[in-house]
Amino acid sequence: EPEVTQTPSHQVTQMGQEVILRCVPISNHLYFYWYRQILGQKVEFLVSFYNNEISEKSEIFDDQFSVERPDGSNFTLKIRSTKLEDSAMYFCASSRDRYTGELFFGEGSRLTVL
Amino acid sequence: AQSVTQPDIHITVSEGASLELRCNYSYGATPYLFWYVQSPGQGLQLLLKYFSGDTLVQGIKGFEAEFKRSQSSFNLRKPSVHWSDAAEYFCAVGQGGSEKLVFGKGTKLTVNP
Repeated sequence: EPEVTQTPSHQVTQMGQEVILRCVPISNHLYFYWYRQILGQKVEFLVSFYNNEISEKSEIFDDQFSVERPDGSNFTLKIRSTKLEDSAMYFCASSRDRYTGELFFGEGSRLTVL
Repeated sequence: AQSVTQPDIHITVSEGASLELRCNYSYGATPYLFWYVQSPGQGLQLLLKYFSGDTLVQGIKGFEAEFKRSQSSFNLRKPSVHWSDAAEYFCAVGQGGSEKLVFGKGTKLTVNP
């Protein structure tokens, strides 16, 4: 069964460093998403991406965040200058159709900022 | 703003017992409602969804959920729980014209043998 894969599974970084989280969505999916979950908090929407551009973003997704689909398979989330409060589990998801809510999630990348 | 409340942080049931996980939402119009499950070390998996029509929806793994507009609820049920159902369950709400899902905090289910 096709699945969304994320790397790394866990990354530890120093405050102020840049981090890139990588995702390989399901191959025939067109819509891509990043969500995050701070420990003990809700899963929160960050951004959606379609046709090589952001289609929707939350207020959390400020200028320190960016997303890119650098080739035909990868979808990346970059955090330019990490802060302590960026420590969270980051989930990538993809979907074949829009607005259906039928998202396929990866296992997540745990980011720890020291 | 939309919000989702899952009042139970942790529920423990015995294998074979029935299960009901509660979910309440706050949203002005008819929402799109979802239940996702996350097994340890896995990503979130869609169990079922409600968009419109029949208020009782069937999902995978023997789960069902009922949309009750008057109570703003979308509770998840299963008549007989299996040990493999131990996981964290997330209720989510979406709205037409937006790709964003708003999740609840999740309910962790433990199944005793």
